[in-house]
Amino acid sequence: GNSVTQMEGPVTLSEEAFLTINCTYTATGYPSLFWYVQYPGEGLQLLLKATKADDKGSNKGFEATYRKETTSFHLEKGSVQVSDSAVYFCALTSNTGNQFYFGTGTSLTVIP
Amino acid sequence: GAGVSQTPSNKVTEKGKYVELRCDPISGHTALYWYRQSLGQGPEFLIYFQGTGAADDSGLPNDRFFAVRPEGSVSTLKIQRTERGDSAVYLCASSLMAPGTQSYNSPLHFGNGTRLTVT
Repeated sequence: GNSVTQMEGPVTLSEEAFLTINCTYTATGYPSLFWYVQYPGEGLQLLLKATKADDKGSNKGFEATYRKETTSFHLEKGSVQVSDSAVYFCALTSNTGNQFYFGTGTSLTVIP
Repeated sequence: GAGVSQTPSNKVTEKGKYVELRCDPISGHTALYWYRQSLGQGPEFLIYFQGTGAADDSGLPNDRFFAVRPEGSVSTLKIQRTERGDSAVYLCASSLMAPGTQSYNSPLHFGNGTRLTVT
């Protein structure tokens, strides 16, 4: 079946620290991988995506590389800001269906 | 606004009552999804519409849950005989995906959700 496992939070970092949020997946077919972000009081929004192995998705300083050999899509940012405080969800969709499967979310708080 | 709109934003109801939750997708988006999110969990798939038809309703937990999209735009999620375990945030999302295209080419655009509390 299809599933996503991401590291549990909450994560608290100081401003300008390096961020990694781990995500691994199980999928049938050839999945596409996504990171969604939910800022306080807002709906989920797409942060970045990668549609095939070795693709790197990037946006707003965040990056994630689709690693088929390790079935992973870890989210990284070199220098976090207070405005990055949010809940981050790893997700996948398989080419065998139209469902999106989400991880449980990782809450990030960045302190000045 | 141009985003996905969900109403009401909050709904409190008594156990056993019937509720309807409404979703207005982004204009022109053919695909519409309903998800349910419990506290500390990620969104859980309920049902997916392509146009007016339910293309995949495998996530509906039981026959108390039903959803319609009669004109291919607005959708209503209906819950009969509500139970306390139905309490959650119900999320709607839409995407531009046309039939036959791959879902990864059309990311989901989410509304802010309806928080349902069953007392």
